[in-house]
Amino acid sequence: QVQLQESGPRLVRPSETLSLTCIVSGGFIRSYSWGWIRLPPGKGLEWIGYVDYSGSTSYNPSLKSRGTISVDTSKNQFSLKLDSVTTADTAVYYCARGEPNCAGDCYIYWGQGTLVSVSS
Amino acid sequence: DIVMTQSPDSLAVPLGERATINCKSSQSVLYSSNKKNYLAWYQQRPGQPPKLLIYWASTRESGVPDRFSGSGSETDFTLTISSLQAEDVAVYYCQQYYSSPLTFGGGTKVEIK
Repeated sequence: QVQLQESGPRLVRPSETLSLTCIVSGGFIRSYSWGWIRLPPGKGLEWIGYVDYSGSTSYNPSLKSRGTISVDTSKNQFSLKLDSVTTADTAVYYCARGEPNCAGDCYIYWGQGTLVSVSS
Repeated sequence: DIVMTQSPDSLAVPLGERATINCKSSQSVLYSSNKKNYLAWYQQRPGQPPKLLIYWASTRESGVPDRFSGSGSETDFTLTISSLQAEDVAVYYCQQYYSSPLTFGGGTKVEIK
């Protein structure tokens, strides 16, 4: 059974960098795409971006080029860095696996999510 | 970006009755070459990650009860719960994967009346 687990600081100061890692177990990171999605409090889901096993990436332009997603196949994990955070970046952050059945762009396997708060 | 608009924002339905959620995209998500609608539906219970229910607008994910069904094409889509159960209380989201950035609807909260 594929499992994903997010890890990283729960509190980030404004203007600093948010860093999260998603560890994948029960399956290999190769041959799939891996996404980050967030849920701000009181709002709907927002797709942040994805990385595939080769390192190719795509990002939501709403991030204004602040995001970097990378993959480490040797550790079976992938990561998100979001620069220059503001309080608007406070959200539950999820990592998820893109499913080939829907062209790699819908998600069956998700992490439990981690709440990251941006506050001074 | 393709804007996904869901309606209603919330609805309360008696146990055993039908619940209907609508999703409208700002442009067609039907890919002409394969005749597939790039539209998915998710269920999110409180404190849980989203769960994929439907993809390609009407294909039920493995293990999803058959009371959940998806329909529609191009820009107008519907998720129907034919007989609402207590465990169906959740927020439901549509998502288009026709083009990047992937976008979600604002969510519809389903409660028991």
